[in-house]
Amino acid sequence: AQTVTQSQPEMSVQEAETVTLSCTYDTSESDYYLFWYKQPPSRQMILVIRQEAYKQQNATENRFSVNFQKAAKSFSLKISDSQLGDAAMYFCAYRSPNTGNQFYFGTGTSLTVIP
Amino acid sequence: DAGVTQSPTHLIKTRGQQVTLRCSPKSGHDTVSWYQQALGQGPQFIFQYYEEEERQRGNFPDRFSGHQFPNYSSELNVNALLLGDSALYLCASSLAGTLGYNEQFFGPGTRLTVL
Repeated sequence: AQTVTQSQPEMSVQEAETVTLSCTYDTSESDYYLFWYKQPPSRQMILVIRQEAYKQQNATENRFSVNFQKAAKSFSLKISDSQLGDAAMYFCAYRSPNTGNQFYFGTGTSLTVIP
Repeated sequence: DAGVTQSPTHLIKTRGQQVTLRCSPKSGHDTVSWYQQALGQGPQFIFQYYEEEERQRGNFPDRFSGHQFPNYSSELNVNALLLGDSALYLCASSLAGTLGYNEQFFGPGTRLTVL
């Protein structure tokens, strides 16, 4: 099974500052997809951003961007101009057609935003 | 447009009992996946249903079973409950044929406590 590792159990950031959450994964496949999901205290998981492995260009969604390093199997999330509403658990997830498109999740990073 | 809904929100059972959790997918979606999220962990894939059949299964024992109805809603059944089954159970829906890059939409989850 694929392994997704998030080495930062907790992170904190000052409001309006930038924070980067780390994610690495282990795979021998070339065709796969990577996602960052946010899980606020209300528990419903929400998609933040996604990346197709064959695309070299890093995905960007407003204040959220990724640094995708395919050779290093690294997929970090950068949150710019952090807002109080960004406080949540963030999960990195891997998905591949060869594994039936199921998600493999990391253990998550709890992000605190300090006013 | 209703998103993914799950019932009940919370459930308390004792060891050895059986439990049924329910999920209604997002409107237009026909595929339902179930995940178990233990405290402090990322979600773990249980199984996926499409066209009323189990299409894929994660590393969970046969005590975990499911069903999908013609209206695409789904049930997760767990027999002979163990203390270790205490977790948040998440349902996610998607549209078959659009897997891979496309996201799964998650419900708010059912918190199961086994005493």
